[in-house]
Amino acid sequence: QSVLTQPPSVSAAPGQKVTISCSGSNSNIGNNYVSWYQQLPGTAPKLLIYDNDKRPSGIPDRFSGSKSGTSATLGITGLQTGDEADYFCATWDNSLSALVFGGGTKLTVL
Amino acid sequence: QVQLVQSGAEVKKPGASVKVSCKASEYTFTDYYLHWVRQAPGQGLEWLGWINPNIGGTTYPQKFQGRVTMTRDTSISTAYMELSRLRSDDTAIYYCAREDYGGNVAHWGQGTLVTVSS
Repeated sequence: QSVLTQPPSVSAAPGQKVTISCSGSNSNIGNNYVSWYQQLPGTAPKLLIYDNDKRPSGIPDRFSGSKSGTSATLGITGLQTGDEADYFCATWDNSLSALVFGGGTKLTVL
Repeated sequence: QVQLVQSGAEVKKPGASVKVSCKASEYTFTDYYLHWVRQAPGQGLEWLGWINPNIGGTTYPQKFQGRVTMTRDTSISTAYMELSRLRSDDTAIYYCAREDYGGNVAHWGQGTLVTVSS
């Protein structure tokens, strides 16, 4: 049971837009920055978004992040088959004094 | 570019310990915290803690306190994560990862599969 709640799966057609939600509480998302990771099959996670809405160098602007209250959202536009992956949200939890992750969302590009 | 190269796969019996290494290159080892994160087969990500390679200070979540130990050898730019009293549910890929972008876990090693089986 993850501290942060994500939908197990989402799907959309190539070229479309998809959003992935991440729900937490005041002890985590409500008072800390959120980051997002992409994990392609068989590879290590890759940082996509940090500090709620910032992209590391090299990450295309098709990927965006936002936060409101105790929830965060990852958006992906212009979907490509290469975007098929697991996506994880993460943030610090003040009560647990730990970095916590969502359970992950599997994106299928139909 | 940042490189983190981890040691190879391990098979351990329940109750044993495992020590995974993470060799850093292409940056100053003592400038950035290193985290350890694990992923059980088909499961999500779980944080095991971090080490400050400069002074050796560590932080572990309560779940792993007393069972995980993170150390480093600055002379060879290598960090270590040792997990003791292994159980079958410790079977996972263990990753080391370096901070960047203001304290975010950003650069990941290739992962080390640890299998715990009798």
